[in-house]
Amino acid sequence: AQSVTQLGSHVSVSEGALVLLRCNYSSSVPPYLFWYVQYPNQGLQLLLKYTSAATLVKGINGFEAEFKKSETSFHLTKPSAHMSDAAEYFCAVSGNTDKLIFGTGTRLQVFP
Amino acid sequence: NAGVTQTPKFRVLKTGQSMTLLCAQDMNHEYMYWYRQDPGMGLRLIHYSVGEGTTAKGEVPDGYNVSRLKKQNFLLGLESAAPSQTSVYFCASSYGVVGRVETQYFGPGTRLLVL
Repeated sequence: AQSVTQLGSHVSVSEGALVLLRCNYSSSVPPYLFWYVQYPNQGLQLLLKYTSAATLVKGINGFEAEFKKSETSFHLTKPSAHMSDAAEYFCAVSGNTDKLIFGTGTRLQVFP
Repeated sequence: NAGVTQTPKFRVLKTGQSMTLLCAQDMNHEYMYWYRQDPGMGLRLIHYSVGEGTTAKGEVPDGYNVSRLKKQNFLLGLESAAPSQTSVYFCASSYGVVGRVETQYFGPGTRLLVL
């Protein structure tokens, strides 16, 4: 079975500050891991994904995430936040089923 | 490529009315999904399909039915709408091999209000 936990339903940062969104997963098989972003009144779009290649994954808009098996984590980071990064972010895991398991989301606010 | 499209974008229903939401994808994906999104609840899977002619229940299937008569289309039906079904509905599609899902591509959503 698979599960995802996103720590912190709301995260606030100042523009230019580091963004860190936390995701921990559980999977009985080697997982695929995803980060999606949802802007207001839009669908989800893929930011980046891990599918068992390099453990440090780079995505769109300057985001990256590192797969750490020992910590069962896949945290999302961006060195310098921009106002346009304000959105909701979802972590998801794919294991040995026909479904993606999503976390409950983290809303990122960016203050000027 | 249009990707994943959803029809309609917004709908208001009265309690007890029925409606069908249409999802279409032009990426030749085998897998298709219907989710609902409610404040504080994240995404919850309603029904999904792993190929033409197949459907399966997700996490919250009660009150909904689905059909996948054509590979590119996935229909979500509400036979007798209830206020608890007020939500934003998202369709998604993906490639997949048996027992493993790849990237899901999402539609723009349908906002449904049931009075």
